[in-house]
Amino acid sequence: GQNIDQPTEMTATEGAIVQINCTYQTSGFNGLFWYQQHAGEAPTFLSYNVLDGLEEKGRFSSFLSRSKGYSYLLLKELQMKDSASYLCAVRDTGQAGTALIFGKGTTLSVSS
Amino acid sequence: EPEVTQTPSHQVTQMGQEVILRCVPISNHLYFYWYRQILGQKVEFLVSFYNNEISEKSEIFDDQFSVERPDGSNFTLKIRSTKLEDSAMYFCASSEGQSSYNEQFFGPGTRLTVL
Repeated sequence: GQNIDQPTEMTATEGAIVQINCTYQTSGFNGLFWYQQHAGEAPTFLSYNVLDGLEEKGRFSSFLSRSKGYSYLLLKELQMKDSASYLCAVRDTGQAGTALIFGKGTTLSVSS
Repeated sequence: EPEVTQTPSHQVTQMGQEVILRCVPISNHLYFYWYRQILGQKVEFLVSFYNNEISEKSEIFDDQFSVERPDGSNFTLKIRSTKLEDSAMYFCASSEGQSSYNEQFFGPGTRLTVL
Protein backbone atom coordinates (compact mmCIF):
# COMPACT_ATOMS: atom_id res chain seq x y z
CA GLY A 1 0.00 0.00 0.00
CA GLN A 2 0.87 3.65 -0.12
CA ASN A 3 1.73 5.41 3.12
CA ILE A 4 3.30 8.79 3.71
CA ASP A 5 3.72 10.03 7.27
CA GLN A 6 4.45 13.53 8.50
CA PRO A 7 3.92 15.20 11.87
CA THR A 8 0.55 16.92 12.02
CA GLU A 9 1.68 20.18 13.56
CA MET A 10 4.87 22.05 14.44
CA THR A 11 5.57 25.42 15.98
CA ALA A 12 8.63 27.62 15.77
CA THR A 13 9.69 31.23 16.25
CA GLU A 14 10.85 33.81 13.75
CA GLY A 15 14.48 33.48 12.78
CA ALA A 16 14.70 29.86 13.90
CA ILE A 17 15.37 26.70 11.89
CA VAL A 18 12.78 23.94 11.64
CA GLN A 19 13.00 20.44 10.18
CA ILE A 20 9.87 18.68 8.93
CA ASN A 21 10.27 14.94 8.54
CA CYS A 22 8.52 12.63 6.11
CA THR A 23 8.65 8.85 5.89
CA TYR A 24 7.15 6.94 3.02
CA GLN A 25 6.25 3.44 1.96
CA THR A 26 5.11 3.29 -1.65
CA SER A 27 4.99 0.56 -4.24
CA GLY A 28 7.23 2.59 -6.55
CA PHE A 29 9.40 5.68 -6.32
CA ASN A 30 10.13 8.31 -8.93
CA GLY A 31 10.95 11.34 -6.82
CA LEU A 32 9.88 13.09 -3.64
CA PHE A 33 8.41 16.56 -3.70
CA TRP A 34 7.73 19.20 -1.07
CA TYR A 35 4.90 21.67 -1.55
CA GLN A 36 3.76 24.60 0.56
CA GLN A 37 0.04 25.24 0.97
CA HIS A 38 -1.44 28.30 2.65
CA ALA A 39 -4.96 27.87 3.97
CA GLY A 40 -7.52 27.89 1.18
CA GLU A 41 -4.90 28.12 -1.53
CA ALA A 42 -3.24 25.80 -4.03
CA PRO A 43 -0.07 23.86 -3.25
CA THR A 44 3.06 25.58 -4.54
CA PHE A 45 6.23 23.68 -5.38
CA LEU A 46 9.22 24.04 -3.06
CA SER A 47 11.69 21.30 -3.94
CA TYR A 48 12.21 17.79 -5.16
CA ASN A 49 14.70 14.96 -4.62
CA VAL A 50 15.27 11.97 -6.84
CA LEU A 51 18.72 10.91 -5.66
CA ASP A 52 19.95 10.58 -2.09
CA GLY A 53 21.35 13.68 -0.51
CA LEU A 54 20.65 17.30 0.16
CA GLU A 55 19.16 19.81 -2.27
CA GLU A 56 19.44 23.46 -1.27
CA LYS A 57 17.26 26.23 -2.58
CA GLY A 58 17.61 29.51 -0.75
CA ARG A 59 16.17 29.26 2.77
CA PHE A 60 14.76 25.81 2.00
CA SER A 61 16.68 22.53 1.80
CA SER A 62 15.40 19.03 1.30
CA PHE A 63 17.08 15.73 2.05
CA LEU A 64 16.35 12.23 0.82
CA SER A 65 17.40 8.74 1.87
CA ARG A 66 15.77 6.21 -0.44
CA SER A 67 17.05 3.22 1.50
CA LYS A 68 15.36 4.53 4.65
CA GLY A 69 12.25 5.85 2.91
CA TYR A 70 12.91 9.18 4.58
CA SER A 71 13.04 12.83 3.69
CA TYR A 72 13.10 16.12 5.52
CA LEU A 73 12.47 19.73 4.63
CA LEU A 74 14.65 22.26 6.41
CA LEU A 75 13.48 25.84 6.67
CA LYS A 76 16.02 28.42 7.85
CA GLU A 77 15.59 32.01 9.04
CA LEU A 78 11.89 31.46 9.57
CA GLN A 79 9.53 34.29 8.73
CA MET A 80 5.89 34.77 9.72
CA LYS A 81 4.86 34.18 6.11
CA ASP A 82 6.26 30.63 6.38
CA SER A 83 3.23 29.72 8.48
CA ALA A 84 1.51 27.20 6.22
CA SER A 85 1.04 23.49 5.59
CA TYR A 86 4.00 21.62 4.14
CA LEU A 87 3.08 18.64 2.01
CA CYS A 88 5.38 15.73 1.32
CA ALA A 89 4.50 13.92 -1.93
CA VAL A 90 5.97 10.88 -3.61
CA ARG A 91 5.78 10.36 -7.33
CA ASP A 92 4.75 6.78 -7.82
CA THR A 93 5.87 4.67 -10.77
CA GLY A 94 2.32 3.22 -10.94
CA GLN A 95 0.46 2.96 -14.22
CA ALA A 96 2.25 5.80 -15.96
CA GLY A 97 4.39 7.34 -13.26
CA THR A 98 2.49 10.58 -13.20
CA ALA A 99 0.56 10.54 -9.93
CA LEU A 100 1.74 12.43 -6.86
CA ILE A 101 0.82 10.66 -3.63
CA PHE A 102 0.53 13.23 -0.86
CA GLY A 103 0.94 12.98 2.88
CA LYS A 104 -1.57 14.71 5.14
CA GLY A 105 0.72 17.71 5.53
CA THR A 106 2.43 19.38 8.46
CA THR A 107 0.93 22.65 9.68
CA LEU A 108 3.72 24.98 10.72
CA SER A 109 2.96 27.96 12.93
CA VAL A 110 5.64 30.64 13.16
CA SER A 111 5.35 33.10 16.03
CA SER A 112 7.24 36.30 16.77
CA GLU B 1 4.75 34.21 -14.82
CA PRO B 2 2.46 31.67 -16.52
CA GLU B 3 -0.10 30.06 -14.25
CA VAL B 4 -2.85 27.48 -14.25
CA THR B 5 -6.31 29.04 -14.02
CA GLN B 6 -9.58 27.42 -12.92
CA THR B 7 -13.22 28.40 -13.13
CA PRO B 8 -15.44 28.74 -11.26
CA SER B 9 -13.76 29.43 -7.93
CA HIS B 10 -16.85 28.18 -6.11
CA GLN B 11 -19.63 25.88 -7.31
CA VAL B 12 -22.70 24.89 -5.34
CA THR B 13 -24.89 22.13 -6.73
CA GLN B 14 -27.66 19.77 -5.71
CA MET B 15 -26.99 16.09 -5.23
CA GLY B 16 -27.50 14.18 -8.46
CA GLN B 17 -26.70 17.14 -10.70
CA GLU B 18 -23.89 17.20 -13.23
CA VAL B 19 -21.03 19.65 -12.81
CA ILE B 20 -18.19 20.64 -15.09
CA LEU B 21 -15.06 22.14 -13.64
CA ARG B 22 -12.82 24.04 -16.02
CA CYS B 23 -9.09 24.54 -16.15
CA VAL B 24 -6.67 26.31 -18.47
CA PRO B 25 -3.24 24.69 -18.07
CA ILE B 26 0.02 26.51 -18.75
CA SER B 27 0.26 26.85 -22.51
CA ASN B 28 3.38 24.80 -23.32
CA HIS B 29 2.57 22.02 -20.85
CA LEU B 30 1.68 18.59 -22.14
CA TYR B 31 0.49 16.75 -19.02
CA PHE B 32 -2.65 17.67 -17.13
CA TYR B 33 -3.95 16.45 -13.81
CA TRP B 34 -6.90 16.66 -11.46
CA TYR B 35 -6.54 16.33 -7.70
CA ARG B 36 -9.06 16.83 -4.95
CA GLN B 37 -8.79 17.79 -1.30
CA ILE B 38 -11.69 17.16 1.04
CA LEU B 39 -11.74 19.76 3.81
CA GLY B 40 -9.12 18.96 6.43
CA GLN B 41 -7.78 15.98 4.52
CA LYS B 42 -4.88 15.27 2.20
CA VAL B 43 -4.59 16.08 -1.47
CA GLU B 44 -5.65 13.03 -3.53
CA PHE B 45 -4.76 12.21 -7.11
CA LEU B 46 -7.69 11.65 -9.46
CA VAL B 47 -6.40 11.45 -13.03
CA SER B 48 -3.65 12.43 -15.42
CA PHE B 49 -4.11 13.19 -19.11
CA TYR B 50 -1.67 13.28 -22.01
CA ASN B 51 -2.01 13.32 -25.77
CA ASN B 52 -5.80 13.44 -25.54
CA GLU B 53 -6.18 10.38 -23.41
CA ILE B 54 -6.07 9.33 -19.79
CA SER B 55 -2.59 8.26 -18.69
CA GLU B 56 -3.40 7.18 -15.19
CA LYS B 57 -6.34 7.25 -12.82
CA SER B 58 -6.96 6.46 -9.18
CA GLU B 59 -9.67 4.35 -7.58
CA ILE B 60 -11.57 7.55 -6.83
CA PHE B 61 -11.94 8.28 -10.55
CA ASP B 62 -14.89 5.98 -11.23
CA ASP B 63 -17.50 6.01 -14.00
CA GLN B 64 -19.06 9.16 -12.57
CA PHE B 65 -15.98 11.15 -13.54
CA SER B 66 -14.70 12.06 -16.98
CA VAL B 67 -12.11 14.43 -18.38
CA GLU B 68 -11.88 16.17 -21.70
CA ARG B 69 -9.73 18.62 -23.59
CA PRO B 70 -12.44 20.16 -25.76
CA ASP B 71 -10.10 22.63 -27.47
CA GLY B 72 -6.46 23.68 -27.47
CA SER B 73 -6.58 25.44 -24.13
CA ASN B 74 -9.26 24.05 -21.79
CA PHE B 75 -9.17 20.90 -19.70
CA THR B 76 -12.38 19.88 -17.96
CA LEU B 77 -13.49 17.52 -15.21
CA LYS B 78 -17.10 16.36 -15.34
CA ILE B 79 -18.92 14.71 -12.48
CA ARG B 80 -22.10 13.15 -13.92
CA SER B 81 -24.25 12.74 -10.83
CA THR B 82 -22.80 14.45 -7.81
CA LYS B 83 -22.88 12.93 -4.35
CA LEU B 84 -22.51 14.64 -0.99
CA GLU B 85 -19.06 13.10 -0.61
CA ASP B 86 -17.88 14.83 -3.79
CA SER B 87 -17.76 18.09 -1.84
CA ALA B 88 -14.11 19.11 -1.93
CA MET B 89 -11.59 21.51 -3.40
CA TYR B 90 -10.65 20.34 -6.88
CA PHE B 91 -7.21 21.32 -8.14
CA CYS B 92 -6.08 21.19 -11.72
CA ALA B 93 -2.34 20.92 -12.37
CA SER B 94 -0.08 20.78 -15.40
CA SER B 95 3.54 19.91 -16.18
CA GLU B 96 5.85 20.13 -19.16
CA GLY B 97 6.62 16.43 -19.08
CA GLN B 98 6.40 13.45 -16.81
CA SER B 99 10.03 13.14 -15.80
CA SER B 100 10.74 13.28 -12.11
CA TYR B 101 12.13 16.81 -12.41
CA ASN B 102 8.98 18.12 -14.06
CA GLU B 103 7.14 19.86 -11.27
CA GLN B 104 3.37 19.97 -11.36
CA PHE B 105 1.98 23.50 -11.20
CA PHE B 106 -1.34 23.73 -9.40
CA GLY B 107 -4.23 26.04 -10.14
CA PRO B 108 -6.10 27.95 -7.41
CA GLY B 109 -8.82 25.32 -7.17
CA THR B 110 -12.59 25.12 -7.45
CA ARG B 111 -14.46 24.61 -4.21
CA LEU B 112 -17.38 22.27 -4.95
CA THR B 113 -20.21 22.06 -2.45
CA VAL B 114 -22.86 19.39 -2.99
CA LEU B 115 -26.10 19.92 -1.05
